[in-house]
Amino acid sequence: GDSVTQMEGPVTLSEEAFLTINCTYTATGYPSLFWYVQYPGEGLQLLLKATKADDKGSNKGFEATYRKETTSFHLEKGSVQVSDSAVYFCALILTGFQKLVFGTGTRLLVSP
Amino acid sequence: NAGVMQNPRHLVRRRGQEARLRCSPMKGHSHVYWYRQLPEEGLKFMVYLQKENIIDESGMPKERFSAEFPKEGPSILRIQQVVRGDSAAYFCASSLMGLAGEDTQYFGPGTRLTVL
Repeated sequence: GDSVTQMEGPVTLSEEAFLTINCTYTATGYPSLFWYVQYPGEGLQLLLKATKADDKGSNKGFEATYRKETTSFHLEKGSVQVSDSAVYFCALILTGFQKLVFGTGTRLLVSP
Repeated sequence: NAGVMQNPRHLVRRRGQEARLRCSPMKGHSHVYWYRQLPEEGLKFMVYLQKENIIDESGMPKERFSAEFPKEGPSILRIQQVVRGDSAAYFCASSLMGLAGEDTQYFGPGTRLTVL
């Protein structure tokens, strides 16, 4: 079935470090891909998305490129801040379906 | 510009009781989705509803769980005779058009259900 695999956390970084959170997917069709962020005690917020191969989603300094050849959608940020500490979820949705399929989430901890 | 509203935020029930979780979608949105997040896991799709219709309930447990989205009022997720395994965070999302990939799902803050 369709699935999303994320790197396990926690990912612990110092402020201003470079961030990569790996995400790969398995899908029977051509999905749209998403990154959501969940801050402590809150719901999920859409961080960025890409709807077709080679698209790059970006927001708040975060970027991810839809790589069809490697079925990946890795999240990157050049310089993290303490306020980026949260759980990041990679997700996909197949055309014609309405349900998001989520990875298990990766917790990011950024220290000053 | 109110977002997706869910209440209560926290709900405690004893085994065998009923739990009712409410979700008011964003203004103008007529598509509602429910997801469940078990401890230390990702979110799992439960059900997708439009006004007065269940469109996809492939993620709903076959027993004790039901959902509705009436013509007027919030969407309700109902869990009868709760068990400890139902303890989780339940998230509601809404979208404007329901077109997969072209339509963003916006999430509420969730209801954290604890079953004693």
